[in-house]
Amino acid sequence: DGGITQSPKYLFRKEGQNVTLSCEQNLNHDAMYWYRQDPGQGLRLIYYSQIVNDFQKGDIAEGYSVSREKKESFPLTVTSAQKNPTAFYLCASSPIPTGGLNTGELFFGEGSRLTVL
Amino acid sequence: DQQVKQNSPSLSVQEGRISILNCDYTNSMFDYFLWYKKYPAEGPTFLISISSIKDKNEDGRFTVFLNKSAKHLSLHIVPSQPGDSAVYFCAALPGNNRKLIWGLGTSLAVNP
Repeated sequence: DGGITQSPKYLFRKEGQNVTLSCEQNLNHDAMYWYRQDPGQGLRLIYYSQIVNDFQKGDIAEGYSVSREKKESFPLTVTSAQKNPTAFYLCASSPIPTGGLNTGELFFGEGSRLTVL
Repeated sequence: DQQVKQNSPSLSVQEGRISILNCDYTNSMFDYFLWYKKYPAEGPTFLISISSIKDKNEDGRFTVFLNKSAKHLSLHIVPSQPGDSAVYFCAALPGNNRKLIWGLGTSLAVNP
């Protein structure tokens, strides 16, 4: 089945440690995104990538890093510089139509909940 | 500054009745508006969208209405079912880039 897989679903880490969240998609989508959700805050964009080996900062990129070495994969590293890393992290992907209409529809993974102790 | 606003954090409706979720926006350059549904500890799933050139789009029990002059859209669910209980996010796509602008969500509870 085609979809987006995030792992791990739950992760606990000590303060000061870097942690990497995995996101893999087999939908052949060009664009991939990382969002963070906090209670009452909605979805905030961390990073996004529209093509392999290229990515852009979103609205809250500080303390995070990403890579896009393969079309299928867009891992997110939460570094020790991120001041408040405990949150629910969502990865998404979307096709980029060539010449067609972009309707903005995103396909989300199940999310990863990171708790920093 | 919120460009997409969902002013009601929560809504409670009786099963079988209509649920109306509202969304206001400030940017008249949005091309598309989308509604997503999210259950706890899961990713959002796409529900329905509407182009800025339309004023209504219907898909089964879900209808989205767009009032461009008022910069307002609404999602109608009729009849509401207990399985519709979730958080509903309104999102808008600007015409000049591909970053969705999200509202803060409205938590809908459909009571049996």
